[in-house]
Amino acid sequence: DARVTQTPRHKVTEMGQEVTMRCQPILGHNTVFWYRQTMMQGLELLAYFRNRAPLDDSGMPKDRFSAEMPDATLATLKIQPSEPRDSAVYFCASGPGAAGNQPQHFGDGTRLSIL
Amino acid sequence: SQQGEEDPQALSIQEGENATMNCSYKTSINNLQWYRQNSGRGLVHLILIRSNEREKHSGRLRVTLDTSKKSSSLLITASRAADTASYFCATDISYAGGTSYGKLTFGQGTILTVHP
Repeated sequence: DARVTQTPRHKVTEMGQEVTMRCQPILGHNTVFWYRQTMMQGLELLAYFRNRAPLDDSGMPKDRFSAEMPDATLATLKIQPSEPRDSAVYFCASGPGAAGNQPQHFGDGTRLSIL
Repeated sequence: SQQGEEDPQALSIQEGENATMNCSYKTSINNLQWYRQNSGRGLVHLILIRSNEREKHSGRLRVTLDTSKKSSSLLITASRAADTASYFCATDISYAGGTSYGKLTFGQGTILTVHP
């Protein structure tokens, strides 16, 4: 089965360090989403792309977060500088077409701990 | 409060019993989806129901949608221990003219525990 692959699965780092999370969407999917999941806030949409172009990143703190798709097989989410409040599980998901009416396929996430 | 709110927050049942989870939302939608999340894993799509549909089945899953009440329910029949997971509803909000922005808004989820 085709899967969304996220790396790393776990990341522990100190406050102030740069964190880069990577996602390989399912081949042929042209919509990619980044989510953050915490106990308090649940699942929040940070940013999403269609055909590698950013459509909406309103959920992302602009001063420290950035999301890119260098090519169709790689999406990245960077945090610089990281803060303890960024500790969460970050999920990437991909979908075909106009994903509002299509299922989203999730990776297993990056569990991030900022000390 | 959130666009999608699940009820109950947690549900504990015995194997073989049915489990019903509810989702309420606030604005017009194009479709509603249900997802399952096992501990430590990503979300897995279960079923999608469009705004002009009232009921949909998939195996042991039955989903209903009442757009007049802005609510949906997910019924899992003859539950199994392997059904233990969190269940989320997600809405594709309908904007002016039925436009979809192509993104989903997730609820906080229902934690289902099925005891063997």
